Amino acid sequence: NAGVMQNPRHLVRRRGQEARLRCSPMKGHSHVYWYRQLPEEGLKFMVYLQKENIIDESGMPKERFSAEFPKEGPSILRIQQVVRGDSAAYFCASSPSTHSSYEQYFGPGTRLTVT
Amino acid sequence: EDKVVQSPLSLVVHEGDTVTLNCSYEVTNFRSLLWYKQEKKAPTFLFMLTSSGIEKKSGRLSSILDKKELFSILNITATQTGDSAIYLCAVEAWDSNYQLIWGAGTKLIIKP
Repeated sequence: NAGVMQNPRHLVRRRGQEARLRCSPMKGHSHVYWYRQLPEEGLKFMVYLQKENIIDESGMPKERFSAEFPKEGPSILRIQQVVRGDSAAYFCASSPSTHSSYEQYFGPGTRLTVT
Repeated sequence: EDKVVQSPLSLVVHEGDTVTLNCSYEVTNFRSLLWYKQEKKAPTFLFMLTSSGIEKKSGRLSSILDKKELFSILNITATQTGDSAIYLCAVEAWDSNYQLIWGAGTKLIIKP
């Protein structure tokens, strides 16, 4: 039973380029959460999605960042025109339902480095 | 503003020592407190605490919650080098059943 999968594990982008981070939830999970972790900071909630719906994007910067979770395929976190401050670890988590926050299973993360 | 504060930020001990990690919180409509262990990858779930004074235990790890004083501790006895990790504390509120409020973590290093 595969866990949450994220790819790529490491991504290097130059300033101004686009970054696409992918997350495949655990089998049977229809809820996906994206978090950003900066050095010496805890995980910061970015966005919560269900299939084909963005439920809450209150933690996501209004510009340059977008997320989707299509009917088929992985969830995508997209960062346009990356800047150095976007360098961080981005974690995706999935859960089987809304009412089980503690059942968020995390992926291995994507470490984004902007040069 | 809701917040979760962990202390210390980092801790270095020798194998065999016992460590206590702290997590204090100020969260409206507290529902539960969760502990995670993060190594060089994803956080993995350790404990969920909802009631004061009831110790949760898993091997050498144990945790307890004090809802009056608004804090939790995570104890690790007879530490091993494999315990080296960042330990994260998160709090869930009743009115937000998916958003967790995270502490910054305690970086624990166990020296052989």
